[in-house]
Amino acid sequence: AQKVTQAQTEISVVEKEDVTLDCVYETRDTTYYLFWYKQPPSGELVFLIRRNSFDEQNEISGRYSWNFQKSTSSFNFTITASQVVDSAVYFCALSEARGSGAGSYQLTFGKGTKLSVIP
Amino acid sequence: KAGVTQTPRYLIKTRGQQVTLSCSPISGHRSVSWYQQTPGQGLQFLFEYFSETQRNKGNFPGRFSGRQFSNSRSEMNVSTLELGDSALYLCASSLVTSEDTQYFGPGTRLTVL
Repeated sequence: AQKVTQAQTEISVVEKEDVTLDCVYETRDTTYYLFWYKQPPSGELVFLIRRNSFDEQNEISGRYSWNFQKSTSSFNFTITASQVVDSAVYFCALSEARGSGAGSYQLTFGKGTKLSVIP
Repeated sequence: KAGVTQTPRYLIKTRGQQVTLSCSPISGHRSVSWYQQTPGQGLQFLFEYFSETQRNKGNFPGRFSGRQFSNSRSEMNVSTLELGDSALYLCASSLVTSEDTQYFGPGTRLTVL
């Protein structure tokens, strides 16, 4: 069974500090997909990034960067020079390519990390 | 392109009643999934529909059901509501396969009294 662990329940940083959110996953599949979503107080899950299991290249998008390491089953997310607008709950999620039906889709989420950026 | 929409946004029901939630996917998306989010259990997968067929189902009792229409819009129904059904219900849509990214709607906040 697949599992996602986000060990950090809550993190507080002062604005402009860098912060890394950890994500460790478990899966028996060789093909899988990893995601990060942001959930602001409004409740909607906002998609941030998707990474395929066969692509270990790190990704940078503005102040956001992601480090994917299959050897340690980790997919960590770093925010550089944090801002108050980054305050939210961040979820790491995993989807296996093979579900109970061909092409069926099921995301397994971690418990989330609540990030508070203090001005 | 419009995002995923969910109606209603807020709902208050009493125990024993039933409720129907609606989800309209992003135009062109054919897969719709439903998730329940509670403080205790976090985000849990309910079911997924594609081409009007349930393609995958999570570990929830039969009181939770859903359907999908020919225009890909989806509804989920919860019968005989229990206090523990109070949650944020999120709908997500994706193009077709498990390779496609799921995009979420704003959710329906259900409170059972």
